[in-house]
Amino acid sequence: DAKTTQPTSMDCAEGRAANLPCNHSTISGNEYVYWYRQIHSQGPQYIIHGLKNNETNEMASLIITEDRKSSTLILPHATLRDTAVYYCIVRSSSNTGKLIFGQGTTLQVKP
Amino acid sequence: GAVVSQHPSWVICKSGTSVKIECRSLDFQATTMFWYRQFPKQSLMLMATSNEGSKATYEQGVEKDKFLINHASLTLSTLTVTSAHPEDSSFYICSATTTRGWANYGYTFGSGTRLTVV
Repeated sequence: DAKTTQPTSMDCAEGRAANLPCNHSTISGNEYVYWYRQIHSQGPQYIIHGLKNNETNEMASLIITEDRKSSTLILPHATLRDTAVYYCIVRSSSNTGKLIFGQGTTLQVKP
Repeated sequence: GAVVSQHPSWVICKSGTSVKIECRSLDFQATTMFWYRQFPKQSLMLMATSNEGSKATYEQGVEKDKFLINHASLTLSTLTVTSAHPEDSSFYICSATTTRGWANYGYTFGSGTRLTVV
C-alpha cells in the first residue's frame, strides 16, 4: 500500500484558506487519494477523494499534482469548527480496499 | 447520505468480562465492514476487515480469538472483546462500504465506542 507523509501540525487563521499538503510518492496508477478528518473523540468524517483530476465539493478542494506524487487539501475559509486531525489516505489497491491511516495533520484554526 | 450507527458510544466493564459493540449501516447494504482501534493521541489502527457472510480477515498482530467479529447481515457487524483487560481500553471505530453502488457511499465511519476496562 502506498504510504503518505503529512506535516504533524499546522495553524490557520479563521476565515483564511487552509492548505494541507500530502506526499504520496509511491502511489500506483489505480489508487485514489482520500481525505478524512477527525474531530476529537468522534469517528472520521469524509471530506473528498480523487484519482488524478482536481476535485471540489461543498467542503473542500483537492489539488493533485500531475505526477500524482502529492496533493493538497484546501479549506477555502477555515472556521474554528475545522480544527481537527486531517488524514490523507491512499486507498489500498488490494481487493479489500481497506483504508490505512497515517498520523495525519493536526490543524488548529485560531481566531 | 450514508449513515453508520455504532453502539454503545461508551462502555465501562470489569476485567475478565466480554463486551459487544454493534455497527449498523442504516441506509445502504454494507458488503464490507472494517474495525479500527485508536489509542489516545494516536492514529486509527485497522484491526480487521469483514465481508458479509465470510470470516473476518485480521491484521497482523490482532488476536482473532480475543476480538470476535461477526458480519452476518448486510447491515450489521459486531465486535466482541472477550475477556477484556485494562490494556484493551481504547476507542473502537467501525467503517462500512459497499460494492453495490460504491460511488454513492464510499467509506462511512461510525461515531466510535469508548471502552474502559476497570
